[in-house]
Amino acid sequence: GAGVSQSPRYKVAKRGQDVALRCDPISGHVSLFWYQQALGQGPEFLTYFQNEAQLDKSGLPSDRFFAERPEGSVSTLKIQRTQQEDSAVYLCASGPRRADTIYFGEGSWLTVV
Amino acid sequence: GESVGLHLPTLSVQEGDNSIINCAYSNSASDYFIWYKQESGKGPQFIIDIRSNMDKRQGQRVTVLLNKTVKHLSLQIAATQPGDSAVYFCAENSPQAGTALIFGKGTTLSVSS
Repeated sequence: GAGVSQSPRYKVAKRGQDVALRCDPISGHVSLFWYQQALGQGPEFLTYFQNEAQLDKSGLPSDRFFAERPEGSVSTLKIQRTQQEDSAVYLCASGPRRADTIYFGEGSWLTVV
Repeated sequence: GESVGLHLPTLSVQEGDNSIINCAYSNSASDYFIWYKQESGKGPQFIIDIRSNMDKRQGQRVTVLLNKTVKHLSLQIAATQPGDSAVYFCAENSPQAGTALIFGKGTTLSVSS
């Protein structure tokens, strides 16, 4: 597709379950970001990939959060042993090489019950 | 704390009016700024950007002004339409933040007809 695609759009998980969120970036985009957005707040940075290399994971809130982009295209954000405070929208964004503008997907809405 | 913030959490205007949304940033080293529009249930949508070597940039119905002296950024929307109703975020790219854009909390623009 033409834009960043994320799946699932909505996910309800029981506390303690593991979840995996997928991101298909815009074709050819080198940079890929994951952001977390709580209700009523701006997006908060989680992690950044350049191709398959995870260059910055300083925003991941705990070791329960893990992201990968093994072939430099599709990325997966995994959250282990989900907790209620993990409930948020998880946004993926991608950008072209050596450019600062990034384009967001529609987000994956995670609710932990 | 956040380095980017907005002066007003909400702004209500009449259709056809011009809207001005303000943003203050605290990092004088930031060199790139973006405005995003986020409609309910959707991801942030790129509107316009500006680099620190400019003080004004115009798009279609939108203008971004950058005042580096007082570290202030504004988004002007001409002839505001109901479809402009959304949350608007400014974001900055700061060397300290590496590759990540830092977002403020957002201003909710409501346009009544």
